[in-house]
Amino acid sequence: DIQMTQSPSSLSASVGDRVTFTCRASQSISNYLNWYQLKPGKAPKLLIYAASSLQSGVPSRFSGSGSGTDFTLSISSLQPEDFATYYCQQSYSTPRTFGQGTKVEIK
Amino acid sequence: EVQLVESGGGLVQPGGSLRLSCAASGFNFNTYEMNWVRQAPGKGLEWVSYISSRGGTIHYADSMKGRFTISRDNAKNSLYLQMNSLRAEDTAVYYCARELYGGIDIWGQGTVVTVSS
Repeated sequence: DIQMTQSPSSLSASVGDRVTFTCRASQSISNYLNWYQLKPGKAPKLLIYAASSLQSGVPSRFSGSGSGTDFTLSISSLQPEDFATYYCQQSYSTPRTFGQGTKVEIK
Repeated sequence: EVQLVESGGGLVQPGGSLRLSCAASGFNFNTYEMNWVRQAPGKGLEWVSYISSRGGTIHYADSMKGRFTISRDNAKNSLYLQMNSLRAEDTAVYYCARELYGGIDIWGQGTVVTVSS
């Protein structure tokens, strides 16, 4: 199975900050990498698919990059509604494993 | 409106069974791959199972193999998850989820499964 490792597990930031976090796959997954935002009591929301494609309706402050084993999600200017937990997921093979998440908290 | 609505969750004793259902609307269900994903209390997201658009290809997470069965009825725009031999560690919110370009773009609101005596 492909293991997905996210770092950091949590970070504190302020509104307006640029934040970046990473996801590493245990083997090459090409660009089969997705990013989701999860808020308590709500269903996950797809932000980025295929490593760098912005899902329809997602603000352009979100961006993704990477290929192979190393990927990043960036938020160019953190907004109050962005405080949440972010998960990466590989769709290269089954099981379609998720990372353990990065929680973005208010500083 | 594109929508997925799960049902069938509840409280079940260890070793028991439950059948989750997911009703799809607002899109051509029979052209989409579907998944089940769960989130245990205080834990992260865990992929459970996948089924291709016509049901010919099915995959499971290792811990669910032999206990869970995914199926779909395209005529009824419905997805199912039969869960047998349930364990305490299966307690979670279960999401029905549509796959597009490898990503899960539409999620249901989730149904809660609690396995406890």
